[in-house]
Amino acid sequence: AQSVTQPDIHITVSEGASLELRCNYSYGATPYLFWYVQSPGQGLQLLLKYFSGDTLVQGIKGFEAEFKRSQSSFNLRKPSVHWSDAAEYFCALSGGSYIPTFGRGTSLIVHP
Amino acid sequence: DVKVTQSSRYLVKRTGEKVFLECVQDMDHENMFWYRQDPGLGLRLIYFSYDVKMKEKGDIPEGYSVSREKKERFSLILESASTNQTSMYLCASSLGGSPYNEQFFGPGTRLTVL
Repeated sequence: AQSVTQPDIHITVSEGASLELRCNYSYGATPYLFWYVQSPGQGLQLLLKYFSGDTLVQGIKGFEAEFKRSQSSFNLRKPSVHWSDAAEYFCALSGGSYIPTFGRGTSLIVHP
Repeated sequence: DVKVTQSSRYLVKRTGEKVFLECVQDMDHENMFWYRQDPGLGLRLIYFSYDVKMKEKGDIPEGYSVSREKKERFSLILESASTNQTSMYLCASSLGGSPYNEQFFGPGTRLTVL
């Protein structure tokens, strides 16, 4: 069985501050990992993905994520948050099938 | 750019009505998905299709059916809508061949059942 946990339901940061959103997974082999963002009233958009190679992955909008096998984590980071980053963020895992498992999401609130 | 379109952004229906939600993708993707999104519950898979006329149940198929007669179109059907089916419905598609292929999502349909 595979699972994804996003421990933080809400995160509040000030504009310009750094951001880290946590994602932990459970899977018996090397997972395919994804981060998606959902802006208000929109569908989800891929930020970045990882399967193998360099464990630090760069994505769109200035986001990056680091895969840590020893911690079963794939945390999303951004050095300086903009007000437009306020959104819902989802971590997802694909094992051997085409059907990903999603975390419950983390809502990012950005204060001016 | 891949485009996934959904027939309605907002829909209001009455209890007991038959409801059709349509999804169309324009990138020849093999896989298509219907999700339901509720606050605090994330995305829950209703049905998945990996080819024309092929479908698999997801985590919460009860009260729903699907149809995929053409590769680009995947329809979600609520046979008899109930108030507990009030939700946001998201359609997604992905290329077959590898679990590394990401999903592309439509904008969602917010369904209210009165």
